[in-house]
Amino acid sequence: KQEVTQIPAALSVPEGENLVLNCSFTDSAIYNLQWFRQDPGKGLTSLLLIQSSQREQTSGRLNASLDKSSGRSTLYIAASQPGDSATYLCAGDNTDKLIFGTGTRLQVFP
Amino acid sequence: DAGVIQSPRHEVTEMGQEVTLRCKPISGHDYLFWYRQTMMRGLELLIYFNNNVPIDDSGMPEDRFSAKMPNASFSTLKIQPSEPRDSAVYFCASSQEINTGELFFGEGSRLTVL
Repeated sequence: KQEVTQIPAALSVPEGENLVLNCSFTDSAIYNLQWFRQDPGKGLTSLLLIQSSQREQTSGRLNASLDKSSGRSTLYIAASQPGDSATYLCAGDNTDKLIFGTGTRLQVFP
Repeated sequence: DAGVIQSPRHEVTEMGQEVTLRCKPISGHDYLFWYRQTMMRGLELLIYFNNNVPIDDSGMPEDRFSAKMPNASFSTLKIQPSEPRDSAVYFCASSQEINTGELFFGEGSRLTVL
């Protein structure tokens, strides 16, 4: 059974720091991977999608990479801002289902 | 498009009552998913539809749970009878393609069963 672990579970940093959030899968046979952001009381918003033929994706200050050989993904956030405060979830699939991690709760303070 | 629309946003009910949650996916999206989120178990897939047909309902916890999609713009998730352990946030999501497409979530229905 595929399980997804996200490290760290929580992170509190001052504004301006560069951050790395980690995601690992027990079954490294991941086809596609998505990173999502969830604000309190809200749904999930897709940030980046790495498809099976890709190894990384970038959007603004965000960069996500996927190492399929190890079943690990990293979300890099450059120059963090208070508006980045949220829970970040990764999700991967190796069948027809997305399996979600439990998330990293990020707090960026001014 | 207004995005995925869910109703109600909040529901408080008593044990044993029937609960119906509703979802309107994004127009043109062929896939619709129902998820449940709790602190203990995180985000779990309950069921998903392709072109209004249920494809995989293996995540539905018990027979008390049922889901329908009578047309491309509407789906329901019903719990009958409800129990306190059903308390959670229920999300509906839609996408144009399965897994290779971006997944769009509604804002969720927070259910509390007393």
